[in-house]
Amino acid sequence: DAGVIQSPRHEVTEMGQEVTLRCKPISGHDYLFWYRQTMMRGLELLIYFNNNVPIDDSGMPEDRFSAKMPNASFSTLKIQPSEPRDSAVYFCASNRADSPLHFGNGTRLTVT
Amino acid sequence: SQKIEQNSEALNIQEGKTATLTCNYTNYSPAYLQWYRQDPGRGPVFLLLIRENEKEKRKERLKVTFDTTLKQSLFHITASQPADSATYLCASTRSSNTGKLIFGQGTTLQVKP
Repeated sequence: DAGVIQSPRHEVTEMGQEVTLRCKPISGHDYLFWYRQTMMRGLELLIYFNNNVPIDDSGMPEDRFSAKMPNASFSTLKIQPSEPRDSAVYFCASNRADSPLHFGNGTRLTVT
Repeated sequence: SQKIEQNSEALNIQEGKTATLTCNYTNYSPAYLQWYRQDPGRGPVFLLLIRENEKEKRKERLKVTFDTTLKQSLFHITASQPADSATYLCASTRSSNTGKLIFGQGTTLQVKP
């Protein structure tokens, strides 16, 4: 079991640029979550999918953020255009219903 | 709004002692409480889950309690070791999907040899 795989591990970009974060969930898990972690706000749920369908995106901060899950083994979180306040660690996690979350090791995003 | 609060101050204890971390929730009644461990530069790792109808859960040196009257969960690590040093996160949900979580800010535990 390779665990949840995220890429890149670090991303540094300039304000206004598009950023795409990637996630491969654990095989067989039918739920996928995107969380964001900052010092000020801690870990916050952005969006989650069930069987590749977005279920709840109420945590997505604004229209600049979008997420897709084209198949069971891949998801992206896109920020366009990026702003300095988007700087955070973005985590992807997956699970089966009623089982604990498995987190990836995150993407540290810095927007200058 | 629904809120989970953990002691933001770091907890420093001596090796061999029991560490006790506190998680309080307000403005709602979670169906599940979970505890995760997070090391620097890594994602959170699940430790224990307790349901609202359970008072206590144990796993090896770990114990978690859930007091719905006090609106509080306590997380204990007995016979603590320097390797237990990490940030511990409390998380809650009312959803049947145990991945849709509200997290506390975490408490950093330092176990000194």
